[in-house]
Amino acid sequence: AQSVTQLDSQVPVFEEAPVELRCNYSSSVSVYLFWYVQYPNQGLQLLLKYLSGSTLVKGINGFEAEFNKSQTSFHLRKPSVHISDTAEYFCAVSGLGYSTLTFGKGTMLLVSP
Amino acid sequence: DGGITQSPKYLFRKEGQNVTLSCEQNLNHDAMYWYRQDPGQGLRLIYYSQIVNDFQKGDIAEGYSVSREKKESFPLTVTSAQKNPTAFYLCASSSGASGSGSEQYFGPGTRLTVT
Repeated sequence: AQSVTQLDSQVPVFEEAPVELRCNYSSSVSVYLFWYVQYPNQGLQLLLKYLSGSTLVKGINGFEAEFNKSQTSFHLRKPSVHISDTAEYFCAVSGLGYSTLTFGKGTMLLVSP
Repeated sequence: DGGITQSPKYLFRKEGQNVTLSCEQNLNHDAMYWYRQDPGQGLRLIYYSQIVNDFQKGDIAEGYSVSREKKESFPLTVTSAQKNPTAFYLCASSSGASGSGSEQYFGPGTRLTVT
């Protein structure tokens, strides 16, 4: 079985501040990890993914995430957020050999001026 | 442009009626998925199909049905047996299984309201 926990349902930050969105996963096999972003009333867009290799993964819009196997985490970070980053962020996991993704419940990032 | 289309964007139905949501992709992807999204619940998998003429139930398949007669199309029917059908429905596709590292591409979604 596989599962994802996003520890924060909402994260409020001020514009130009750094942000970290937390994600922990559980799986009995090796994993692939994904972060998606969803703007209001739209579909999901891939931000970045970890398949193998370097544990620091860079994505679009200045986001990056670090895979930590010992802590079973894949936290998303951005050094300086913009108002336009206000959206819901989903972490997802798929174990090696699985057919589907398992999503976390999402974290709403609220950026204010 | 390659992508996934879902129609319509908004759909309204009376309780007791079946309704079919459309999903079409021109990415030449083998796998397709249907998710349901409710506030605070994340995405929950309804059905998925890894190849034409084959599909599997996801975590919340009760009250839903699908077909996969063509590679590019994966329609979802919400039946009258679904107890709480009002939700945002998302269709996705991928070139391979998620467990091979394939990312999923999402459509814009259909918001279904049943009264």
